[in-house]
Amino acid sequence: KAGVTQTPRYLIKTRGQQVTLSCSPISGHRSVSWYQQTPGQGLQFLFEYFSETQRNKGNFPGRFSGRQFSNSRSEMNVSTLELGDSALYLCASSGNPISYEQYFGPGTRLTVT
Amino acid sequence: QQQVKQSPQSLIVQKGGISIINCAYENTAFDYFPWYQQFPGKGPALLIAIRPDVSEKKEGRFTISFNKSAKQFSLHIMDSQPGDSATYFCAASRDNQGGKLIFGQGTELSVKP
Repeated sequence: KAGVTQTPRYLIKTRGQQVTLSCSPISGHRSVSWYQQTPGQGLQFLFEYFSETQRNKGNFPGRFSGRQFSNSRSEMNVSTLELGDSALYLCASSGNPISYEQYFGPGTRLTVT
Repeated sequence: QQQVKQSPQSLIVQKGGISIINCAYENTAFDYFPWYQQFPGKGPALLIAIRPDVSEKKEGRFTISFNKSAKQFSLHIMDSQPGDSATYFCAASRDNQGGKLIFGQGTELSVKP
């Protein structure tokens, strides 16, 4: 089985712009979670989607949003980018109904200048 | 508020030695405790996980020890190898919310030949 794929792998944006990141889960997995990884804050949970519904949400501002499509692919969007949004954004999928055993993709490295 | 505290931040072990990484948690509602391994430029990879009804779980050279009363759990890597050099993260989730992982700050392990 192919693993979790994320596109693009690298992205450079300017403050104030918006960005959309994409995640394709492992085939058959219906749960997708998103995390932000930075040197200072570590790995922080953004949100989780299951069967096109947001099931959990972390403590991030409303500028961060996501969605999941009927084929379980997911996107996250960050509007009005700030310098502090520079991070590695990781997507994880699970085939477990309560999302145990999450498998991560390689991440998208976002740099905001 | 850091709900999962991980130590040490960095660890140097000789080849063949035992690497031990510790985590402590505060929330007694946590019911799932995975460990992840991350190499530079890669996403975290699930190593091993435990539920609180079990005190120890072993998979190959990796063992999780879990102490529910002390609210602590640890990862032991036996016969450590240079290829084990990576950053290790403990994590926890609660109330069957496996898709919302709370991560420790990470331990950078270096295994010297």
